[in-house]
Amino acid sequence: DVQMTQSPSSLSASVGDRVTISCRTSQSINNYLNWYQHKPGKAPKFLIYAASSLQSGVPSRFSGSGFGTDFTLTISNLQPEDFAIYYCQQSYSPPYSFGQGTKLEI
Amino acid sequence: QVQLQESGPGLVKPSETLSLTCTVSGDSVSNNYWSWIRQPPGKGLEWIGSIHSSGSTNDNPSLKNRVRMSIDASRNQFSLRLSSVTAADTAVYYCARLLYSSGILLDHWGQGTLVPVSS
Repeated sequence: DVQMTQSPSSLSASVGDRVTISCRTSQSINNYLNWYQHKPGKAPKFLIYAASSLQSGVPSRFSGSGFGTDFTLTISNLQPEDFAIYYCQQSYSPPYSFGQGTKLEI
Repeated sequence: QVQLQESGPGLVKPSETLSLTCTVSGDSVSNNYWSWIRQPPGKGLEWIGSIHSSGSTNDNPSLKNRVRMSIDASRNQFSLRLSSVTAADTAVYYCARLLYSSGILLDHWGQGTLVPVSS
């Protein structure tokens, strides 16, 4: 199984900041990496697939990069609605494991 | 717009079977694949498995063959049954639509339903 390591587990930032979240996998997964945003009590929101492709409707301040085992989610010009928990997920092989999550807070 | 809604009992006793249903609107369960994911309290997300209307399924080996999934096209629903539950199965359970595109992706999710396992 592919193991996921996401860091940091929590992150404090302010509106207007630029933040970076890291996701590492235990083996190469090419670019088969997704990112999700989750707010408590709500349905998780799909943000990015194939490491860097933005889902339709997702603001361009979100971007992703990486290949192989190291991946990054970057959020530029943080907005109040961006404070949430972010998860990476490998889509290379089942079981499609998730990272432990990064809580982005003010 | 695709929407999913989980439903099921509020509480399950240890050793019993957890049963959940996901009702889909805005798409047909006869299209695509459909998936279950869970989140134990204070922990991260865990992929449970997926099903296609053809009957093809794929589930997480960590659940040790306790998972059964099915589709009811007439009701536009799909279901999860998890047998022999323990307190470790207490979680918020989500259903989602799974697409195959550069790997897989879960593009629409339900809001989730908390299922406590307790006597």
